[in-house]
Amino acid sequence: GENVEQHPSTLSVQEGDSAVIKCTYSDSASNYFPWYKQELGKGPQLIIDIRSNVGEKKDQRIAVTLNKTAKHFSLHITETQPEDSAVYFCAASHPRGGSYIPTFGRGTSLIVHP
Amino acid sequence: DGGITQSPKYLFRKEGQNVTLSCEQNLNHDAMYWYRQDPGQGLRLIYYSQIVNDFQKGDIAEGYSVSREKKESFPLTVTSAQKNPTAFYLCASRPEGRTDTQYFGPGTRLTVL
Repeated sequence: GENVEQHPSTLSVQEGDSAVIKCTYSDSASNYFPWYKQELGKGPQLIIDIRSNVGEKKDQRIAVTLNKTAKHFSLHITETQPEDSAVYFCAASHPRGGSYIPTFGRGTSLIVHP
Repeated sequence: DGGITQSPKYLFRKEGQNVTLSCEQNLNHDAMYWYRQDPGQGLRLIYYSQIVNDFQKGDIAEGYSVSREKKESFPLTVTSAQKNPTAFYLCASRPEGRTDTQYFGPGTRLTVL
């Protein structure tokens, strides 16, 4: 089955700095890569996603890059703000039982210091 | 969280009791999912259902059961056979026609005493 590794597990930055979270996956059939932000005690919220036919996608301060050959993808947050502090999860979605089921990384706790 | 509701937010049960967690969505989504989240872990798939009256086991289905009698509802029962049931449980659903994007509810924290 699919295996998703996510690093780092904790990331501490100063407000205004950039933050980068990296994920690798194992199943070459995976073709959809969402990123979720989870605040304490809440459900994960989709913040950005990328499909395998695209190398990069940007949405304001957030960008995601995908390298299918190397099987890794990354989340980039620029000009971080304290409200960006949360746990971020990557996922790789692969075919399973007629649908695409995501396998999640273990999460990165991002702390943005004012 | 959109139109996905989970209730209650906090649930306490005694060891040996079965407990049912509610998940309802008014988004007309076809597929629904249950995940378990433990500290420092990713989300692990318990069960999923792509259509009414059909569901499949995920990676950690042992000790859990589900039903999908209505499109809007996908309740999860944590049975006494689940050895370590204390966790944060998340329900998700997928829009009709999409094969990948999932949207999550707010979660239920279950504590078994």
